[in-house]
Amino acid sequence: NAGVMQNPRHLVRRRGQEARLRCSPMKGHSHVYWYRQLPEEGLKFMVYLQKENIIDESGMPKERFSAEFPKEGPSILRIQQVVRGDSAAYFCASSPGGGNQPQHFGDGTRLSIL
Amino acid sequence: AQSVTQPDIHITVSEGASLELRCNYSYGATPYLFWYVQSPGQGLQLLLKYFSGDTLVQGIKGFEAEFKRSQSSFNLRKPSVHWSDAAEYFCAVGALGTASKLTFGTGTRLQVTL
Repeated sequence: NAGVMQNPRHLVRRRGQEARLRCSPMKGHSHVYWYRQLPEEGLKFMVYLQKENIIDESGMPKERFSAEFPKEGPSILRIQQVVRGDSAAYFCASSPGGGNQPQHFGDGTRLSIL
Repeated sequence: AQSVTQPDIHITVSEGASLELRCNYSYGATPYLFWYVQSPGQGLQLLLKYFSGDTLVQGIKGFEAEFKRSQSSFNLRKPSVHWSDAAEYFCAVGALGTASKLTFGTGTRLQVTL
């Protein structure tokens, strides 16, 4: 029974390139959340998605960041024209429903910007 | 807006000693409260959660937490710490109706000495 799968585990990009982070939720889970963790800080909510819908994107930067969760396939967090400040660990979580359903986290993608 | 404060950045305890990690939250109504543990390079694992009912909740790995509304606290406890408990611990709060959006504290790093 696989947990939340994120890939890649580590991603290195040069400034100006694009970063694509993928997340496959646990089996039976249709709700996906993305969080960002800067060094020595807690996790900060970015976006909450259900299949083909963005439910809450209040934590997403206004520019360069986008997220999707298509009908088929993993959820994608896309960062265009990356800058040094985008270096962080990006975590995906999933739950079977919204509300008070506990979120199960993946091991994260560590993004490094050269 | 909800917020979480973990006043202790770093705690060191001896193996076998008792442990209490502090968490204070700010939210205008009944919150949903969680404790997660993160080992280096890993994702977050749910230790326990509080939604309603009994204010003393039991979790995995021998952990428990007590919800005290009057103090806006949800402290994590363990009677006897094991060396394998060394990790980062995060308290999180979710709002009623929008519990999907978790707000995390900055974490407490636990070191266990032998």
